[in-house]
Amino acid sequence: AQKITQTQPGMFVQEKEAVTLDCTYDTSDQSYGLFWYKQPSSGEMIFLIYQGSYDEQNATEGRYSLNFQKARKSANLVISASQLGDSAMYFCAMRGVPQTGANNLFFGTGTRLTVIP
Amino acid sequence: DTGVSQDPRHKITKRGQNVTFRCDPISEHNRLYWYRQTLGQGPEFLTYFQNEAQLEKSRLLSDRFSAERPKGSFSTLEIQRTEQGDSAMYLCASSLSWGQETQYFGPGTRLLVL
Repeated sequence: AQKITQTQPGMFVQEKEAVTLDCTYDTSDQSYGLFWYKQPSSGEMIFLIYQGSYDEQNATEGRYSLNFQKARKSANLVISASQLGDSAMYFCAMRGVPQTGANNLFFGTGTRLTVIP
Repeated sequence: DTGVSQDPRHKITKRGQNVTFRCDPISEHNRLYWYRQTLGQGPEFLTYFQNEAQLEKSRLLSDRFSAERPKGSFSTLEIQRTEQGDSAMYLCASSLSWGQETQYFGPGTRLLVL
């Protein structure tokens, strides 16, 4: 069974600094996808970045990058040059193997990021 | 290109009443998912559709819950005989069935059962 662990309930970062949000996962599947979502107080889940298990390079999307270490089963999110609008909950998620029909996402418990002016 | 929309955004109901939520996915997306999120937790999978076929249901989806996607476009989630434990945010997401299959979420429906 898939499991996502986010060990940081809350994180603080100074505006314009970089911050790393931790995520470890557990799966016996060889093929899987890892996602990060941002959830502001309004409640909507906003997709940030995706990493496939066979991707050799770390994914990047603007100020977001994913530090993917497959052997350690970790997929940490790095946000560079933090902005006040980055304050939100951040969820790491993993998708099961499509061939088995497990297309749903498994989510961690999230990390609340607060950006300090 | 409009995103995923959900209606209503908020619902307050009394225990024992039935409620129905609607989700309109991104127009070209053939997959649609329902999740439930309680306070302090990440979303938990309830069910998903590919076109009009309901392909997977979680054990969380008790027999009081039913979901439909009659024409492969919008979907409804109905909860019968609501209980206080049903109070949560109900999130809908949609995706394509190829490529990264990234799921894009709607704003959610917050349900409060009194």
